Formats: sequence, structure tokens, C-alpha cells
Amino acid sequence: EAGVAQSPRYKIIEKRQSVAFWCNPISGHATLYWYQQILGQGPKLLIQFQNNGVVDDSQLPKDRFSAERLKGVDSTLKIQPAKLEDSAVYLCASSYLAGVGDTQYFGPGTRLTVL
Amino acid sequence: LAKTTQPISMDSYEGQEVNITCSHNNIATNDYITWYQQFPSQGPRFIIQGYKTKVTNEVASLFIPADRKSSTLSLPRVSLSDTAVYYCLVGEVNNDMRFGAGTRLTVKP
Repeated sequence: EAGVAQSPRYKIIEKRQSVAFWCNPISGHATLYWYQQILGQGPKLLIQFQNNGVVDDSQLPKDRFSAERLKGVDSTLKIQPAKLEDSAVYLCASSYLAGVGDTQYFGPGTRLTVL
Repeated sequence: LAKTTQPISMDSYEGQEVNITCSHNNIATNDYITWYQQFPSQGPRFIIQGYKTKVTNEVASLFIPADRKSSTLSLPRVSLSDTAVYYCLVGEVNNDMRFGAGTRLTVKP
């Protein structure tokens, strides 16, 4: 079974530039998550989708971050404009549903460096 | 959301049993306890999940006392490859679960 795919793996941008990350979840997984992981910290949930609807985006900085999951499959996360403090690894995860016994499967992440 | 407290770091030696305890005093009735493992440059990986008493799988055991205010992840006979960060999460499964800083386990030869 193919895992969660993410691209790019690495990205370096200047502050105030825009950047987008792509995630392809495991086939059949209805729930998709985006996390931000700053060096030395645990992952922080940014947004959770159930199919193509948003379940939780309470920790998403909506003035600069946006995410979409068209057709309930792939998802993109965008930052516009980027700030220095956005330097982090952006992790995508998916799960079949969001219930007991179900687990999240994480992709390898995209390491973003903002200069 | 239930807040979790874990040791920041732990050291062990190959072949020993490692127990990592997580405190979650305000756990709610519908909350489950889930543990993830993360190696450098990789995303977290599910280890085990439980609600009460004891759960065991091929990788670890999870002990949860009756009051559910804490839980202990037990790793039997660790090896160097078990060196990783271990996260304890408490919440409704895959909803409202929050990662803390985790416990950095270092296994020495």
C-alpha cells in the first residue's frame, strides 16, 4: 500500500514570498491533516479535512495560510506571504476515518526554510 | 482538551525495558490515549492506542490505571533503533488530539 506522498521535500524561499505544498493521502482515506512542526517541538495541527470539508482549522493562521482539498483527495497548503517564523517541517497525514481504532499515517514532510 | 505531561528525555541501554509515563489529569470520558513514535526527518508513526486497563501489540504495551489520569508506554528489550521521540496524545480518536513536546528516548549500546 502506497503511503502519504508530499512534495516538495525541501523548499527555501525569501520572506514575503509565497509557497505551496502538496499532499496525496493514502487511497480511500477520508480524513486529511496538515501539521506544522518547528524544530524541537511536537507537530501542531493546522487544519483537518473530512472528505473536502473542514473539520478543524482553529490553529491555522488564516491571514497568511490557506488550504484546500478539492474532490476530497489531494490537498494543498499555501503560505502567502511567508515569515521567518514559518520555517518548519510541514507534515501531511491521513486516516480512513476519524474514529476509534483508526490511526493517522504521516508523510515524510516538507522542510521549509524562510530566509 | 486534556493536557499531557511527559518527561523531556530518557536514557536507556540496549536490552532493557523502557517505561515512559504520561500524565493527563483532566482526561475526558470520550478520550483515548494514543502514542506515536518519531524518528529524525520522518513523520510520526502510530505505536499503540488504548482506553483503559492494558493493551499489547507486537511493538509495545500500554498500561492505563482505573482513574485514567496517567498512562505508561512500555517498550520491551529496546535496541538502538528505538532511539526516537515518543508522543502521548489524549483526545477523541483522530479528533482534537494535540501533540506535546514528547519524550526523547536515547538507547545506548
